[in-house]
Amino acid sequence: QITLKESGPTLVKPTQTLTLTCTFSGFSLSTTGVGVAWIRQPPGKALEWLALIFWDDDKRYSPSLNSRLTITKDTSKNQVVLTMTDMDPVDTGTYFCARKFGSGSREVFDVWGQGTMVTVSS
Amino acid sequence: DIQMTQSPSSLSASVGDRVTITCRASQSISTYLNWYHHKPGKVPKLLIYAASSLQSGVPSRFVGSGSGTEFSLTITSVQPEDFATYYCQQTYSTWTFGQGTKVEIK
Repeated sequence: QITLKESGPTLVKPTQTLTLTCTFSGFSLSTTGVGVAWIRQPPGKALEWLALIFWDDDKRYSPSLNSRLTITKDTSKNQVVLTMTDMDPVDTGTYFCARKFGSGSREVFDVWGQGTMVTVSS
Repeated sequence: DIQMTQSPSSLSASVGDRVTITCRASQSISTYLNWYHHKPGKVPKLLIYAASSLQSGVPSRFVGSGSGTEFSLTITSVQPEDFATYYCQQTYSTWTFGQGTKVEIK
């Protein structure tokens, strides 16, 4: 069974750095074609892709947030960490991690974590 | 960036109705298009991949079609568990979601 679980602070202050951890099981981030993505959803708004790390340590970031994001992986611990700098109240929302599987037109986010709610407020 | 535009933003339907949601890409994405649905407090669920392939375990009433820049998701007979928000996602160049279509009970 494949599972992912997000963890991190529920409340951060404006200008602080957010660090979220995605701990997964049931698959390996060393397997060709596999990746782990971060997606967020502000309250009442749409899903927004943030970042993704591939099995070979290649990384992709949302162009609009590229300067604020860093994604890393620890394959031995089955963890992926996302950091987001200079947090603002507009960054409030639920943050999900998800497994990327497949390639080409069959690339999907097939298994998602439950999500973790992050509030940015002083 | 590739932008994804869904229409309508919301719709009301009765159980048994046929519902169609449209997704338009800002440039051609071939069939690099997935559909998910998401209920409040739940995890987004993959329904359709590669524009028209049904994910394992998903009921056959969900039908995806399209290629290039125009795509659609049809629910042939809406069931009570289908009331949710639906998102398209392009995977042609990084990843982008549409703004969502909320399907509500009439």
